[in-house]
Order: sequence, then C-alpha cells, then structure tokens
Amino acid sequence: DTAVSQTPKYLVTQMGNDKSIKCEQNLGHDTMYWYKQDSKKFLKIMFSYNNKELIINETVPNRFSPKSPDKAHLNLHINSLELGDSAVYFCASSWGQGSSYNSPLHFGNGTRLTVT
Amino acid sequence: KQEVTQIPAALSVPEGENLVLNCSFTDSAIYNLQWFRQDPGKGLTSLLLIQSSQREQTSGRLNASLDKSSGRSTLYIAASQPGDSATYLCAVRPTSGTYKYIFGTGTRLKVLA
Repeated sequence: DTAVSQTPKYLVTQMGNDKSIKCEQNLGHDTMYWYKQDSKKFLKIMFSYNNKELIINETVPNRFSPKSPDKAHLNLHINSLELGDSAVYFCASSWGQGSSYNSPLHFGNGTRLTVT
Repeated sequence: KQEVTQIPAALSVPEGENLVLNCSFTDSAIYNLQWFRQDPGKGLTSLLLIQSSQREQTSGRLNASLDKSSGRSTLYIAASQPGDSATYLCAVRPTSGTYKYIFGTGTRLKVLA
C-alpha cells in the first residue's frame, strides 16, 4: 500500500520536448507538494497545493505547470524541456491546516528526469 | 529568510560508534523540525518529528533534540550499523508560509563494517 506514488520513476527525453509526471497519495492529506532535488542533493520547494488550490509557486519558470484535479492527485507538466531541468522531482503530501501542522511530510520515491 | 544548514556534509564512522548529526536554522519561528533518511535512488523516509514545544523525540536507536531558541537540532544515532548508511536531512516547517518545509543541505553518512 504505497502512500505517495509517482510515475514514471525514470524519464529520459530530448531538449524541447514536453513531459508530465503524475503523483497520487492515498493518505487523505489536504496538501501536496512538488520538490526538486539537484545534483548536490539539495531539496527545494517548487509548488504546494492545498485542497486543489495553488498556495506556493516558488519562482519556477512558467514552463512548469502543476495541476491538481482533486486532493489526492498532483501532476507536473513541463514544456520545452531544457538541459538544466535534469534533476530528481519529488512529490510529497501532508496535512496543511489547523492542529495538523505537526503531522509528518510523506514523500514519493521520485522521478529522475534526464534531458539530453 | 529561513536557512537550514547541516554539519558535517559527510561522515564516515566504524560500525558500533555513537554519532551526532547537526542541523541549524536561522529563524526560530517554526512549528516543527523533521528528520529524514534518504537511501540512494529512493525517496525520503521520515524518521522523527519534533514539535516546537518539545525538546526531544526517540525512536529505537535514534534520538532527536531541539533547541528552538538557539536554532539547533541534533540527531543522535546509537551503536551505528552499516544499514544506517544513507543521507540524513532535516527540515523545518515555518509558522509563516506553513505550506512548505525548508530543507537542510544533508549529511551523507557511511558506516563501515
């Protein structure tokens, strides 16, 4: 029973292509996130959604467009891929409000994107 | 702006040693601090979460402490084993802008058999 699952695990594509990564959580959480991990393993927030609404857009190029069809899903679409987009992208979920601020953050296993 | 730093960046120890990983943050206005473990090619696994009102949390051989006023947390691993080899990350959840967790730079731990 995977709590946060994302697909695909690996994505290899050429510059200029458009690709999508999908994420689903079965924990009932109201908040979902996309994080980018660079080659030095540093994790940086890209987007967060609460109850399907975009809450944080952390100065990410508009080639990246997240979409949350419902609370359990958060997808990431990337247009016109560039070499610098190569990284590992992690989806995560948690509770976002009220007394649930102190609930843990749960991660998917990541999508390794390689742009050639 | 909240910044989170972890020292050391990498650590190698012989099996059986007790060790301490450090995490420091610049803004004490946090709800909690969470420690994670990341194995190569894998996602992050939550180890311990310390609420801002707590001083420490324990799980098995792991003990995490929090000194919010000084902006520091430590993760203590007792009797280290080769299976503990991984990257350890800490993250804080700020009270302003609660919809994000800010991560540290990580410590790569290698426990030698």
